[in-house]
Amino acid sequence: DVKVTQSSRYLVKRTGEKVFLECVQDMDHENMFWYRQDPGLGLRLIYFSYDVKMKEKGDIPEGYSVSREKKERFSLILESASTNQTSMYLCASIGGYGGYTFGSGTRLTVV
Amino acid sequence: GESVGLHLPTLSVQEGDNSIINCAYSNSASDYFIWYKQESGKGPQFIIDIRSNMDKRQGQRVTVLLNKTVKHLSLQIAATQPGDSAVYFCASKDAGNNRKLIWGLGTSLAVNP
Repeated sequence: DVKVTQSSRYLVKRTGEKVFLECVQDMDHENMFWYRQDPGLGLRLIYFSYDVKMKEKGDIPEGYSVSREKKERFSLILESASTNQTSMYLCASIGGYGGYTFGSGTRLTVV
Repeated sequence: GESVGLHLPTLSVQEGDNSIINCAYSNSASDYFIWYKQESGKGPQFIIDIRSNMDKRQGQRVTVLLNKTVKHLSLQIAATQPGDSAVYFCASKDAGNNRKLIWGLGTSLAVNP
C-alpha cells in the first residue's frame, strides 16, 4: 500500500515563527499536494507539485511556500505563522489516474 | 468556477439500514469522480471511484451511481455499521487541470445502534 507520512500529528507554534511541515511518500508518485481543512470549508488546496522542483499554486497559497527537492518529499512552509493559519494540514500524493492517498494530517495551532 | 456540493451536511441512520449520500457537480466535462471517507483524527481514505463512461460501480458494501444528465453522484452503503460513521466527501477531477480535484464539503454520517 502507498504510504504518505506526515512528520508531526500535532504542532503548536508561536505567531511569527517559521514553520515547516514535512510529507514523505514511498511509492514514487509524481504528484503531491498540500491541503488545509477547516470546519465548514472542506479541503482547500494550498500548493501542489507534479515533479521535483516544480510547484503550482492552489486556491489559497498566500502565506505559504513549498519545497520539493526530492521526489518523495514535499514540504510546506509557513514563512511567518499567524493565528489564522491554525488548521488541519493534509498532504496527499497520486501517481497517475486515480485517487489521492492522504497522510494522517498535522493539526497546527498558532498561538 | 467548477463546484461540487453535497445535498445534506449530516445524515443519521440506524445500524443495518442502507445509507445514501448524494452529491452534485457543476461541470459536465468532469470525467472522473471519487468518494472518500474521513474518520475522526485521520486523513481522507479512498473508498470508490467511477469514470464518466460508467453509470454504476460496486465495491464491498458500497455502490456509486453517476447520473450525467443531472450531474448527480451518489454513494450507497449497504447494511450500515457503526464503523461507517465518518465524514464522506465526493470529489471530481478538475476538467481544466486533471492533477487537481474539486471537493465537496462533506456529509457527516452517524450510525445509531
